[in-house]
Amino acid sequence: DTAVSQTPKYLVTQMGNDKSIKCEQNLGHDTMYWYKQDSKKFLKIMFSYNNKELIINETVPNRFSPKSPDKAHLNLHINSLELGDSAVYFCASSRRRSGGANVLTFGAGSRLTVL
Amino acid sequence: DQQVKQNSPSLSVQEGRISILNCDYTNSMFDYFLWYKKYPAEGPTFLISISSIKDKNEDGRFTVFLNKSAKHLSLHIVPSQPGDSAVYFCAASAIQGAQKLVFGQGTRLTINP
Repeated sequence: DTAVSQTPKYLVTQMGNDKSIKCEQNLGHDTMYWYKQDSKKFLKIMFSYNNKELIINETVPNRFSPKSPDKAHLNLHINSLELGDSAVYFCASSRRRSGGANVLTFGAGSRLTVL
Repeated sequence: DQQVKQNSPSLSVQEGRISILNCDYTNSMFDYFLWYKKYPAEGPTFLISISSIKDKNEDGRFTVFLNKSAKHLSLHIVPSQPGDSAVYFCAASAIQGAQKLVFGQGTRLTINP
């Protein structure tokens, strides 16, 4: 039973299209994240939600809009896709820490290719 | 501005020997450091962490060393096994950072039989 699941795993689309990636976690965690791994392999945070409230919003184009309908789900919608949006997008979740390392559990990733 | 750096993109080690992966950081506010392991087509999985108030943490074959004065940490794997072949990411978090993990760019470790 997958702890953090993302769909779709692969997505190929044309420039200018709008697409969504869905994420669900069954760990009972209260914080969820979207990370982007670009061609240089860096994993960079995009957004984080805690109990449906946006707590991290890095410098990301406003074409990217996260939506958290409940604390188990965090979806990522991307408008007007550009070539530079091609990357692997990872969803993750964690329990809010009160001491100790903030250990994130990641999904398997969604590879987006924009043609 | 990359706050966590892994300067070796790849490392090749003989099976049974020690693998040493290195990581440098610039932000002195980081309070926890973590190592993640990633296989192809999978997400990163947590391996081991260390608090900034410690200089060593050990878990089975994996040991992480932290040198705060040098802003450097390393992951030692001994003995190395073929299943350890993966990409290893170093990550760090600051107590003021809203639980954000900052990652390095990863080091691909290959264990040769």
